[in-house]
Amino acid sequence: NAGVTQTPKFRVLKTGQSMTLLCAQDMNHEYMYWYRQDPGMGLRLIHYSVGEGTTAKGEVPDGYNVSRLKKQNFLLGLESAAPSQTSVYFCASSSAMRQGDEQFFGPGTRLTVL
Amino acid sequence: AQTVTQSQPEMSVQEAETVTLSCTYDTSESDYYLFWYKQPPSRQMILVIRQEAYKQQNATENRFSVNFQKAAKSFSLKISDSQLGDAAMYFCAFAPTGTASKLTFGTGTRLQVTL
Repeated sequence: NAGVTQTPKFRVLKTGQSMTLLCAQDMNHEYMYWYRQDPGMGLRLIHYSVGEGTTAKGEVPDGYNVSRLKKQNFLLGLESAAPSQTSVYFCASSSAMRQGDEQFFGPGTRLTVL
Repeated sequence: AQTVTQSQPEMSVQEAETVTLSCTYDTSESDYYLFWYKQPPSRQMILVIRQEAYKQQNATENRFSVNFQKAAKSFSLKISDSQLGDAAMYFCAFAPTGTASKLTFGTGTRLQVTL
């Protein structure tokens, strides 16, 4: 039981390049989330999904797109990376069985945009 | 929109002593959930404790307990018998009721544990 995994763990991009971060969970959770963490700030919600085929915007969605084609996977895409997107990205998942249930987090991806 | 404020950027405690981390929040919701997450140097976010706003009883998990004051919108974390492994960033977080627990985090408190 791996929990929540993220690929890759580190990445360096040049401005304007694109990339996709992959999140996978093996807990059969309905809800999945993408957050970013910047120095001196807490995690901020980028996008989330309440089920396969659904996505919704969070607090800071601009510059990102997401897809959830399979229940266990949640992809975060950057079409044209900017230095302001340098951050640590966390994926999380939670169950729909109980409201306000715990979110389980992945280990994070450190992204640097030059 | 909700806001979560952690006014202590850093705290220090001696091993075996007790420390309290502060958190206040602002919301117009009447029902919601509050959390404390721990982030050690490994970067992994780990749930420490969870509180349901409709429950008056303060949550407790072993050495960790909260003081939840709903009227004051305050949610502090008390760590008793501090251990070296407690050294980490601690984040307070708020989630409204409804579909999906969309968390709003505070800026965190870095806890140092000294011998």
